[in-house]
Amino acid sequence: GENVEQHPSTLSVQEGDSAVIKCTYSDSASNYFPWYKQELGKGPQLIIDIRSNVGEKKDQRIAVTLNKTAKHFSLHITETQPEDSAVYFCAASPISNFGNEKLTFGTGTRLTIIP
Amino acid sequence: ETGVTQTPRHLVMGMTNKKSLKCEQHLGHNAMYWYKQSAKKPLELMFVYNFKEQTENNSVPSRFSPECPNSSHLFLHLHTLQPEDSALYLCASSLGTIGELFFGEGSRLTVL
Repeated sequence: GENVEQHPSTLSVQEGDSAVIKCTYSDSASNYFPWYKQELGKGPQLIIDIRSNVGEKKDQRIAVTLNKTAKHFSLHITETQPEDSAVYFCAASPISNFGNEKLTFGTGTRLTIIP
Repeated sequence: ETGVTQTPRHLVMGMTNKKSLKCEQHLGHNAMYWYKQSAKKPLELMFVYNFKEQTENNSVPSRFSPECPNSSHLFLHLHTLQPEDSALYLCASSLGTIGELFFGEGSRLTVL
């Protein structure tokens, strides 16, 4: 089965600086890579996703890059703000009729933005 | 507000108790999920229902029993749990079984 490793487990950055979270996956059949953000007391919420036919996707201050050859993908947050403080989860799955049933999550990164 | 509501938010139970977790979604989705979230571990998929039919059971112990009476409601019945079952139980829904998962805020379960 798929194995997703996520690093670092904790990350502290000064407000305004950039944050990068990295994930690796093992199953070459995986072609869908979402990122979820979980704020304190809330459930995870999708913030961005990427499919294997593109190498990079950007949405305002958030970007995700994918290297299929190396089997790794990363989340980049620029100009960090206090509201970016949360736990971030990467995930991987094959796009199929049962994509979500095969969605494998990483262990999470606790991001703290220092004012 | 994600459109997925879970009750209760907190539950403390003894190992001999029987309790249930409830999830309701107001998004018109047809797939619903139960996940277990423990500290320092990846989210663990427990059960999947698509159009009320269970399509996945990830080797979950029988002391957890799901029920999906319709596409909007999902229950997790709990009985004779163990202390290691203490965790945050998250319900999610999606339109189809591909794409964005919408999570509830979770039910924090403590087994004494």
